[in-house]
Formats: sequence, C-alpha cells, structure tokens
Amino acid sequence: DQQVKQNSPSLSVQEGRISILNCDYTNSMFDYFLWYKKYPAEGPTFLISISSIKDKNEDGRFTVFLNKSAKHLSLHIVPSQPGDSAVYFCAATDTGRRALTFGSGTRLQVQP
Amino acid sequence: DAGITQSPRHKVTETGTPVTLRCHQTENHRYMYWYRQDPGHGLRLIHYSYGVKDTDKGEVSDGYSVSRSKTEDFLLTLESATSSQTSVYFCAISESVPSNEKLFFGSGTQLSVL
Repeated sequence: DQQVKQNSPSLSVQEGRISILNCDYTNSMFDYFLWYKKYPAEGPTFLISISSIKDKNEDGRFTVFLNKSAKHLSLHIVPSQPGDSAVYFCAATDTGRRALTFGSGTRLQVQP
Repeated sequence: DAGITQSPRHKVTETGTPVTLRCHQTENHRYMYWYRQDPGHGLRLIHYSYGVKDTDKGEVSDGYSVSRSKTEDFLLTLESATSSQTSVYFCAISESVPSNEKLFFGSGTQLSVL
C-alpha cells in the first residue's frame, strides 16, 4: 500500500507557464515533506521541503503548498523553464523517523 | 557535490549469481541508505544504516542483505540474483534523520539480471 502517491506520471507545460505537481499521502503521522528532482543518469537532488507547522514554503521559483486536512501537497514552479524538465519525487517522513517514503514520481517536460 | 561513489555503475549478471554493490562516502555521515528505482514505483527503501554495524530493513528488503563495517562503506548484497531485482540502485547519505538533514544521493548502479 503506497503511503505517498503521485497520481500523474507525466506533465507537459509551455516555457514560462506554471507547472503544478501534486502529491497525496495516507499516513497521518507524516509531518515533514520534501520534493526531489532527478535528471536522467543522475541521482535525485533535494529541491524544497515543508514542515506540517506551515502551509507554504517558497524558494525562488519553487513553492510547496501543504493541505493537512486533505493530506495533499503540491509543488508550483513559476515560471517553468526547459531546464526544469526532470522527474520530480515527493517524499514524506515523521519527525525522528530514520528514512523517507517516496512517491512514484512525475515526469515534467517543459516545452520551449 | 556530496562525496558519494557507487560501484559498479553498470552490471549485467545471471540469475542465481551473488552480486555486491558498494557505496563509499567521504562525508563521514552517520546514515546510509539503499533505494531501488523502478517504473511506477518510484524510490523504494531496501535497507539503511544508522551507524557502523547498525542496520535495519526497509520496505523491500527480501532477497537483500547489507553490511557496514566502516563509516564510509555500505555494501548491498543480492545473495542469489533474480530477474525481479533488475533495477537502478541508489545509495544515499545523511548526517541526521531526514527531518533534520537532507539526503544526498549517489549517481546510481544499473543492474540487469538475465
């Protein structure tokens, strides 16, 4: 049973527009959430995170929103750039837990 | 970039043979992880270590064993490889638990079991 779900395997957007990637979780113990970005033939790299005490965290063009009641988070990329084309993984944990649980990933393609 | 080296980068082996993947770090981080990446499943935790000789199972540990005799090395062994273990394997390291410190990943090992 997947505790972290990314229901959209792929997403295509035009350069300059907004990209919205979604993630749902089922484990109510999760209180810390992260997004990782992965290019082909490379390992994932950390992008942005959010604690459950917040509902929004922003870092440049990247913003993560958390809706605890819906057990849903989303990553917004504005404006999208061709270099953002990658696979994005949502991940979750609870404070003090030793490992992350990842979703299945969403492949984002930003068209020039 | 975090100093993580995975070896080999690519390996082709036959069903039933033993295989060992190595992860070496130069960061002196306490936590080390092995994940596998498969289409439709994302990254799934196999085993992790929270110190020398301290390891624990992840969600897909069957058929795998690990060892950590030194801080810098974390070995993943497939005792008798099966075709279902064809995957991309990623090692990751962290200074503390993930809610405190981010994970850094290696470049991966592509393993094909024929």
